[in-house]
Amino acid sequence: DIQMTQSPSSLSASVGDRVTITCRASQYISTYLHWYQQTPGNAPNLLISSASSLQSGVPSRFRGSGSGTDFTLTISSLQPEDFATYYCQQTYSNPTFGQGTKLQIK
Amino acid sequence: QVQLQESGPGLVKPSETLSLSCTVSGDSVSTYYWSWIRQPPGKGLEWIAYMHHSGSTDNNPSLKSRVTMSIDTSKNQVSLKLISVTASDTAVYYCAKHLMGAAGALDSWGQGTLVTVSS
Repeated sequence: DIQMTQSPSSLSASVGDRVTITCRASQYISTYLHWYQQTPGNAPNLLISSASSLQSGVPSRFRGSGSGTDFTLTISSLQPEDFATYYCQQTYSNPTFGQGTKLQIK
Repeated sequence: QVQLQESGPGLVKPSETLSLSCTVSGDSVSTYYWSWIRQPPGKGLEWIAYMHHSGSTDNNPSLKSRVTMSIDTSKNQVSLKLISVTASDTAVYYCAKHLMGAAGALDSWGQGTLVTVSS
């Protein structure tokens, strides 16, 4: 199995801050890497597919980058609705998710 | 806009079989790959299995041979069976649609259904 490791596991930030979440794969996954946002009580929502493709309707302050084994999700200017848990997922082989990054208000 | 709705028993006894359905509306179930994902209370996401109506399927090795996924095109439904359940199978179970192909991201999700394994 390909292991996905997100860092940090939790993060405190303020509205307007720029934040970066990292996802590292235990082996090469090309750009088969996707990012999801989940708020309490709700299903995950796809933000970015294939490492850097922003989904329709997702604000442009979200940006994904990376290839191979190292990936990042950057939120350029945090808005109140962005405080949530973020997961990366690889689909290069049997899909696996990262453990999640909980983004909290400072 | 495709919509997904999971349904099934909320309580299953240990050693029995968990059976869930996912009804798809807004598009044909034959068009895409579909996945089941679960999330134990307070924990992260775990992919269970995916399937295409052509028969292409794969499942999480950690669940070994306990998982069966099926597609009923007449009902536009995707189903999941998990046998020999234990308390560790307690989770919110989601069905989701693949954006493109087996390796596609999951771009539409059901709201999830909580299944508790308890006697």
